[in-house]
Amino acid sequence: GAVVSQHPSWVICKSGTSVKIECRSLDFQATTMFWYRQFPKQSLMLMATSNEGSKATYEQGVEKDKFLINHASLTLSTLTVTSAHPEDSSFYICSARDYLETGTLKLFFGSGTQLSVL
Amino acid sequence: AQSVAQPEDQVNVAEGNPLTVKCTYSVSGNPYLFWYVQYPNRGLQFLLKYITGDNLVKGSYGFEAEFNKSQTSFHLKKPSALVSDSALYFCAVTSDTGRRALTFGSGTRLQVQP
Repeated sequence: GAVVSQHPSWVICKSGTSVKIECRSLDFQATTMFWYRQFPKQSLMLMATSNEGSKATYEQGVEKDKFLINHASLTLSTLTVTSAHPEDSSFYICSARDYLETGTLKLFFGSGTQLSVL
Repeated sequence: AQSVAQPEDQVNVAEGNPLTVKCTYSVSGNPYLFWYVQYPNRGLQFLLKYITGDNLVKGSYGFEAEFNKSQTSFHLKKPSALVSDSALYFCAVTSDTGRRALTFGSGTRLQVQP
């Protein structure tokens, strides 16, 4: 089946540094990828919708200058947390929709990235 | 706006007994409903979905869910629970309008006791 690879699985960084998270669709093309954030014991909250070749659409309350999203190709979207602070510590998950299967709503999820900012 | 409610934070069931994890939703347009399972420190795994057709949907690992339009519900069920079913379960909804991003419920932790 379709696979979405998310890297890294976990990262620890110092406050003020930037962290890049990659989301790759391995065996399909994804025109649309979604980035979610999950706080401990809470649900996944949509942060932004990433469309290949265009600017991402951010949900209300999500700072686009802090969470930079780049979807440069049909198989890769990146989320960069800029100048990370401890409150950015969270579990980030990406999902991708198969370009050829848009009518069937097939969504595939990455394994997630646990970010801890010290 | 679309929303999902999972009224139970945790469901406890003995191994071999049937289980139900509840989910209700609210959307504009026709609903597309999903169930996902999450194991510790892992991403989400797809269990099943309802798009159209038969209200009873069968999915992975013996799970099934029944779409009830009048009650706006999509409860997850399994006839006989296994200890290995213990995990966090999320119900999600989108619709045939809008950007198709999923809205997730708050999650229900299923604990199956031996």
